[in-house]
Amino acid sequence: SQKIEQNSEALNIQEGKTATLTCNYTNYSPAYLQWYRQDPGRGPVFLLLIRENEKEKRKERLKVTFDTTLKQSLFHITASQPADSATYLCALDMDTDKLIFGTGTRLQVFP
Amino acid sequence: GAVVSQHPSWVICKSGTSVKIECRSLDFQATTMFWYRQFPKQSLMLMATSNEGSKATYEQGVEKDKFLINHASLTLSTLTVTSAHPEDSSFYICSASWQAASSYNEQFFGPGTRLTVL
Repeated sequence: SQKIEQNSEALNIQEGKTATLTCNYTNYSPAYLQWYRQDPGRGPVFLLLIRENEKEKRKERLKVTFDTTLKQSLFHITASQPADSATYLCALDMDTDKLIFGTGTRLQVFP
Repeated sequence: GAVVSQHPSWVICKSGTSVKIECRSLDFQATTMFWYRQFPKQSLMLMATSNEGSKATYEQGVEKDKFLINHASLTLSTLTVTSAHPEDSSFYICSASWQAASSYNEQFFGPGTRLTVL
């Protein structure tokens, strides 16, 4: 079955730096890969989506890359701010009606 | 737009009782609603998928008689945890989607319901 790995250890970075989060998966590549933000005690909030035939996608300070050869997506937040502190989830969209979520990586941006 | 609400936001109940959680799409008609469960520091695990007016489809390992799902209208789905036990304590999150022009799996998530069973 499809497995997704996100770094379970928290990522601590200084304000203004670029945060890079990793999402690796096994087996076959999804049609789409989605990234979400989740704050404690809240539901996930959609951030970005990238298609399997896209290499990179940007939205304001966010950038997502998708390498189907490496079976990996990278999520970057440039000029990070303390308000970016949250858990970031990647989700595989296998072109069905289901999303498969990773465990998420907690990002802590300190001043 | 595309707002999903859940009620209650948290609930504490005694072991053996049943708890109902509501999921509403406030500004759109949801043809499909999903129910997830999330344990601390773990990923969202899909429990079941429900389409309006039909029976829910449960994921492997999820007891359909314990987790009753009703999707009676295009804006409301309910999850009832029957005879709840402490191991059912978790964060339950619903999401909703509709048949739209987008080709990807676009789901809008509710804020979640924290269930604690004593």
